[in-house]
Amino acid sequence: EPEVTQTPSHQVTQMGQEVILRCVPISNHLYFYWYRQILGQKVEFLVSFYNNEISEKSEIFDDQFSVERPDGSNFTLKIRSTKLEDSAMYFCASSVRVGLAGVETQYFGPGTRLLVL
Amino acid sequence: KQEVTQIPAALSVPEGENLVLNCSFTDSAIYNLQWFRQDPGKGLTSLLLIQSSQREQTSGRLNASLDKSSGRSTLYIAASQPGDSATYLCAVRDTGFQKLVFGTGTRLLVSP
Repeated sequence: EPEVTQTPSHQVTQMGQEVILRCVPISNHLYFYWYRQILGQKVEFLVSFYNNEISEKSEIFDDQFSVERPDGSNFTLKIRSTKLEDSAMYFCASSVRVGLAGVETQYFGPGTRLLVL
Repeated sequence: KQEVTQIPAALSVPEGENLVLNCSFTDSAIYNLQWFRQDPGKGLTSLLLIQSSQREQTSGRLNASLDKSSGRSTLYIAASQPGDSATYLCAVRDTGFQKLVFGTGTRLLVSP
């Protein structure tokens, strides 16, 4: 069964450094998302991406964050200058609109655990 | 602003029991509702999706119901097994938006 994959599984970085988290969505999916989960807290939406542009973003997704689909398979999240509070599990998800009703199950990857020191 | 709440926060049952997990949301203008399972330190596995026009969905031993007008959904697990032990998350997608809004989850432990 097709699945969303993410690399790396764990990343440790120093505060102020740039990190890039990578995702390979399911191949025929058209919508891509990033969410994060700070330890012990709810899963929070960051951004959605469709047709090579951001379609929706949360207030968390400020100028320090950016997303890109550099080729036909990868979807990346970049954090320009990491802060301690960026430490979290970052999940990539993808979905495909099915039929006229627009049923969209979002399928999640295994996550990247980011630790900022 | 949509808020999603799940009760109970934790549940411990013996193997074989039928159980119900609850999810409530504050804004009834939802597009769909999705139930997920999360194992410790792992990603989210989609279990069921219910469209706003539907009342319930079934998959194996799982049955999810939706009462949009009262802002509630339940996940019924029949004949629970130790392998069902995980955190169960409810998430709603509001009409006009793409993002999912998640609840805090119910941590389920099924003992042999």
